[in-house]
Amino acid sequence: QVQLVQSGAEVKKPGASVKVSCKASGYTFTTYDIIWVRQVKGQGLQYVGWMSPNSGDRAYAQNFQGRVTMTRDTSENTAYMELSGLRSEDAAVYYCARGDLRFGALDVWGQGTTVTVSS
Amino acid sequence: DVQMTQSPSSLSASLGDRVAITCRASEPILHLNWYQQKPGKAPRLLIYAASNLQDGVPSRFSGSVSGTDFTLTISGLQPEDFATYYCQQSYSTPYTFGQGTKLEIQ
Repeated sequence: QVQLVQSGAEVKKPGASVKVSCKASGYTFTTYDIIWVRQVKGQGLQYVGWMSPNSGDRAYAQNFQGRVTMTRDTSENTAYMELSGLRSEDAAVYYCARGDLRFGALDVWGQGTTVTVSS
Repeated sequence: DVQMTQSPSSLSASLGDRVAITCRASEPILHLNWYQQKPGKAPRLLIYAASNLQDGVPSRFSGSVSGTDFTLTISGLQPEDFATYYCQQSYSTPYTFGQGTKLEIQ
């Protein structure tokens, strides 16, 4: 079946970087966008950025510019999101989601990756 | 960036009730999606492009639009509908979300 499987929980120190993976299966990886969303505990959904696995094009939300990098490995059907310069406020659950090319709707989601930032 | 203003932030209702949640966009948009999220779970797509029901979503969920105002309506609340709902515009990046509406059982 169509699914996105993310890497496991991470614990990082302030200032460190974290790289989360998102492995796609059950569909052609390059025919949908990958969007990253985060959710701080008890808060709403926050858009992080977008990447096209086909072209490699990407765009990041202003709040994350300069700290986030989205990449992909089409041979592994895997997308990656790396966030650097971690701060306590970056502690959150990070989700990848598949974005429909026509309407941009996020129709398949990964299970989420919890990132803890603690000294 | 397009701002999405979602209301109400919380809502209490009873089984069988009909409820409506609204999102207002700060400028005209074409694509608006609705998601349901339960505690500890990833969001689930309910409605895409304002009024299209995602496969497998019960028909008691519906979406509508009037200008820049988008509405999610749930007709005949079921126990599994008590959750948090989010709108999201996918017309222009960044794909902004509404603040969420927590639907609680009365």
